[in-house]
Order: sequence, then structure tokens, then C-alpha cells
Amino acid sequence: KNQVEQSPQSLIILEGKNCTLQCNYTVSPFSNLRWYKQDTGRGPVSLTIMTFSENTKSNGRYTATLDADTKQSSLHITASQLSDSASYICVVSPPSDRGSTLGRLYFGRGTQLTVWP
Amino acid sequence: DGGITQSPKYLFRKEGQNVTLSCEQNLNHDAMYWYRQDPGQGLRLIYYSQIVNDFQKGDIAEGYSVSREKKESFPLTVTSAQKNPTAFYLCASSRDRGNSPLHFGNGTRLTVT
Repeated sequence: KNQVEQSPQSLIILEGKNCTLQCNYTVSPFSNLRWYKQDTGRGPVSLTIMTFSENTKSNGRYTATLDADTKQSSLHITASQLSDSASYICVVSPPSDRGSTLGRLYFGRGTQLTVWP
Repeated sequence: DGGITQSPKYLFRKEGQNVTLSCEQNLNHDAMYWYRQDPGQGLRLIYYSQIVNDFQKGDIAEGYSVSREKKESFPLTVTSAQKNPTAFYLCASSRDRGNSPLHFGNGTRLTVT
């Protein structure tokens, strides 16, 4: 069964500290993995996308890693800020073959990050 | 600025009433989607549309209906047949079916009592 599991479910850190969020998936075949940030009461916003051939991708203080062999991804946040408080959602996409799977994305339940001053 | 607009932000309805959630995009995207988000759960796909006048059921389409008469608009109707309609509803669009990201609206929180 295709699944996306995220851990931890919630995390509290102090401002300025680093943290790492985990995403394990069983989706196969696999095309790409994307991390989204969702502020409370708002829609998710894409942070990074990784294809199966990529190991690391950075976007400012956010660094995503991917191990396609073990089907694991992580999102590392450096020097956290209060504005990083949000839910971080891992989304896995199978290949988009012609005429199929346009709507088929697999969403994790998210990690709720709270940054305290 | 380009984006997706969902309205209203909050919606309250009595049980047994149908209600329509609005979603408009000016990104010129072909594909549009409706998701439902419940606490502690991942987003679940209700309906999606690849082009005008065409749409497909997602994983939890029962009790919902959509239309796609214009490229920019993809309204969602929550009917009285939906057993548990109280939720946060997110509309999204994307350029194509490849590696393009989903662009989400800021959601409509529907409460049915």
C-alpha cells in the first residue's frame, strides 16, 4: 500500500536552534518528493522538490535530503525563526503517465513545528 | 499578483443545506483540485479537473459535486449527502502533470451544525 509517514508528529524548539523532520514513504514507482510549509489557517506552500536522482536540495535555511534506496527524506531547518512555526507536509508523486495519475499525490500527515522565543 | 482565491474564509451552514465554495485562479493553470483537510490527517483529494468541462472523482467524492465551466473557476458544492462536511477545504491548481508544484488557496473552513 502506498503510504507517506512523517515524524515526529509535533516538535517544539527554541529560536535559533536547528531541527530535522523525517518522511518515510512506500510509494512505488516514485517520481518526485516535495516538502510544503503550511501556516495555520492558510494553504500549503512548496519549499523544495526532489526527483529520485537528487540527494540534497537547499532553499535558504531549508535543506531537503533524499535517499531513494531506503525511501527516506528529511527536511533540515537551520537557525530557526519564529516564522518557521508551521506544519511541514511531505508529498510523494508517482510518475505522471499520459492519461493517468494527474490527481494522484500521496500526502503525509505533517509535522507541526513550534518555535519558541 | 497571480494566485488562487478561495471564498469565503469561514462558512457556517445548517445540516441539510447545500453550500458552494468558490475557487478562482489567475495563474492560467489547466489543472485544478479540491482537497479536504481534517485535524491529524493528510490532505484527501475530492475532485480534480485537467481541462475545462472535464473533471474526475478523487478519493472522497461522495457527497460533493464540482463544475469547470471556465478555466479560472472550479467551485465545489458540499451537498446534504455528505455525512461529515465540517472541515477545512483547500483548492489548488498546477501548470501541468509533471513536476509543477501545487499552488494552494488559503482555504475555506466550513462548519455545519
